[in-house]
Amino acid sequence: DAGITQSPRHKVTETGTPVTLRCHQTENHRYMYWYRQDPGHGLRLIHYSYGVKDTDKGEVSDGYSVSRSKTEDFLLTLESATSSQTSVYFCAISIGTGAYSSNGYTFGSGTRLTVV
Amino acid sequence: SQQGEEDPQALSIQEGENATMNCSYKTSINNLQWYRQNSGRGLVHLILIRSNEREKHSGRLRVTLDTSKKSSSLLITASRAADTASYFCATDEGEADQGAQKLVFGQGTRLTINP
Repeated sequence: DAGITQSPRHKVTETGTPVTLRCHQTENHRYMYWYRQDPGHGLRLIHYSYGVKDTDKGEVSDGYSVSRSKTEDFLLTLESATSSQTSVYFCAISIGTGAYSSNGYTFGSGTRLTVV
Repeated sequence: SQQGEEDPQALSIQEGENATMNCSYKTSINNLQWYRQNSGRGLVHLILIRSNEREKHSGRLRVTLDTSKKSSSLLITASRAADTASYFCATDEGEADQGAQKLVFGQGTRLTINP
């Protein structure tokens, strides 16, 4: 997906270990988001950012933290991975806002994380 | 919590037929968006309809929005094998801090186009 990359694409980790996923954008968009996608739940918002060092929680933020030290990078950390965090993680960016927005999200290709 | 709920969960049609997917939501919204996801890939934005709009077209896509019923439909005309994918509706409730567009996604409709 043009302008947004996620790394790694796949990762297997052990329960209890910390894991960091990276989202990098070249679009200079202000807003960045982390979602997880699970069967039966669709996509659920974990955290989002509205600027450098400005982040907030989403619907399913427990067990996750984020950081954004530069406009282009948004990191998602699983502090101590659990099997329930096995999922596909998507990063997204957006420029629009609210009632006057004409733009949706641009998504990355996802990171498939397996916690064993 | 899920805002958008798509119906049906799965749809299988013949190539050339029209495909209709529906989405219902619960609260007031700024806009409603539809996304497509091919297997193993990220979601791709298809179309956005604002809360003050009733119908919108983009190529073979037609989206309607009925805010009184809190529902939307996505129509894909003259379907092609390449349209095989999952389709998600997402609602922007407009309550986010600092203008972030916090979308709430439904669980999606899996569309299969048979050649």
